[in-house]
Amino acid sequence: EVQLVESGGGLVKPGGSLRLSCAASGFTFNNAWMSWVRQAPGKGLEWVGRIKSKTDGGTADYAAPVKGRFTILRDDSKNTLYLQMNSLKTEDTAVYYCSTGSMLLVWGQGTLVTVSS
Amino acid sequence: DIVMTQTPLSLSVTPGQPASISCKSSQSLLHSDGKTYLYWYLQKPGQSPQLLMYEVSNRFSGVPDRFSGSGSGTDFTLKISRVEAEDVGVYYCMQSIQLPLALTFGGGTKVQIK
Repeated sequence: EVQLVESGGGLVKPGGSLRLSCAASGFTFNNAWMSWVRQAPGKGLEWVGRIKSKTDGGTADYAAPVKGRFTILRDDSKNTLYLQMNSLKTEDTAVYYCSTGSMLLVWGQGTLVTVSS
Repeated sequence: DIVMTQTPLSLSVTPGQPASISCKSSQSLLHSDGKTYLYWYLQKPGQSPQLLMYEVSNRFSGVPDRFSGSGSGTDFTLKISRVEAEDVGVYYCMQSIQLPLALTFGGGTKVQIK
């Protein structure tokens, strides 16, 4: 069974940093393109970014609001996806989901990030 | 970015009755490879989103056949032939054709049971 488990969320002050993790199991992680999607409280879904598999170049694309502040990383030896978030703003407050591919086939349960002073 | 517009914002449906959700994109979602990159997701209350339909009309694994998707170019529709209680939640359409990649979602349609 494909499973994605996010962790690392919490309360952080504006300007701070946080790193989220997404532990993957049940599929060949190193072949998978992976995405992050967020959802602000009571709002809709917003794509954050996607990283390709290393065999396809390992590069990442980002949504405009996070480009230059967020970095998507992967450790295929640990079957883990990361989202490094720097220079956090209050508007980054959201539940962050990881998901498989650009089609977003399978989603994790999400982890809440709250940016507040 | 491609803008995705869903209507209606909410829908209240009697069990057993049909429901229909519209999604319009600001640009054609038809790729030169012949595929149309339009997806539908359902987020049930308190849960993560789940994929329902991919490339307009293909049901994802385990999705009941009362769900169907149609449309082309910029106009798309998700239909539920007979709504059941388990279908409540917020439905989102999404496009993935834009390059450089920039997935965008519609604003969502909340489906409730009367």
